[in-house]
Amino acid sequence: ETGVTQTPRHLVMGMTNKKSLKCEQHLGHNAMYWYKQSAKKPLELMFVYSLEERVENNSVPSRFSPECPNSSHLFLHLHTLQPEDSALYLCASSQEGGQPEKLFFGSGTQLSVL
Amino acid sequence: GQNIDQPTEMTATEGAIVQINCTYQTSGFNGLFWYQQHAGEAPTFLSYNVLDGLEEKGRFSSFLSRSKGYSYLLLKELQMKDSASYLCAVMDSNYQLIWGAGTKLIIKP
Repeated sequence: ETGVTQTPRHLVMGMTNKKSLKCEQHLGHNAMYWYKQSAKKPLELMFVYSLEERVENNSVPSRFSPECPNSSHLFLHLHTLQPEDSALYLCASSQEGGQPEKLFFGSGTQLSVL
Repeated sequence: GQNIDQPTEMTATEGAIVQINCTYQTSGFNGLFWYQQHAGEAPTFLSYNVLDGLEEKGRFSSFLSRSKGYSYLLLKELQMKDSASYLCAVMDSNYQLIWGAGTKLIIKP
């Protein structure tokens, strides 16, 4: 069982659909993250949760809505997305205060918006 | 603004040595990370440098010069499985990670 599990691995959705991405970490970490990865671009931090409280929202459009019900689970709810939102969405976790504070990533959800 | 530069793509031969460079301009510095990402897989931690010098870990080594805003990842005795993207990231003064766009390394037999 891998440390950080993401489902689904692939998702195709229309612009009017509503879908959710799921992430689960089995590492006992206290921080979780959503990143967007587009081809040939740096990773973009979308949301950070620390101890289940959202601590950062990097000006992400409201069509992306995160949810962190507990320290092991993280969701990203998607609605009325645009084609430019097509990308790989990565979930990560870390133990705050770790030296160094390494990120552990899931394998991502490859999202295509038609 | 903050910026991380690394080559887009590099090609090397199996058994050889390759050096992947990373230069950065950030607001403060609290360490530099290298991650490896195979196609379709999760990025995985490779190394962390916070002090100047070379850190060696098996076939992989990472070097840092804070005065020059420069790091490199050195891969020795290249194997086909080393074909991957290598991501450089710097932690700034606010403990935010600034990422490079990654270097795709292609290993040829």
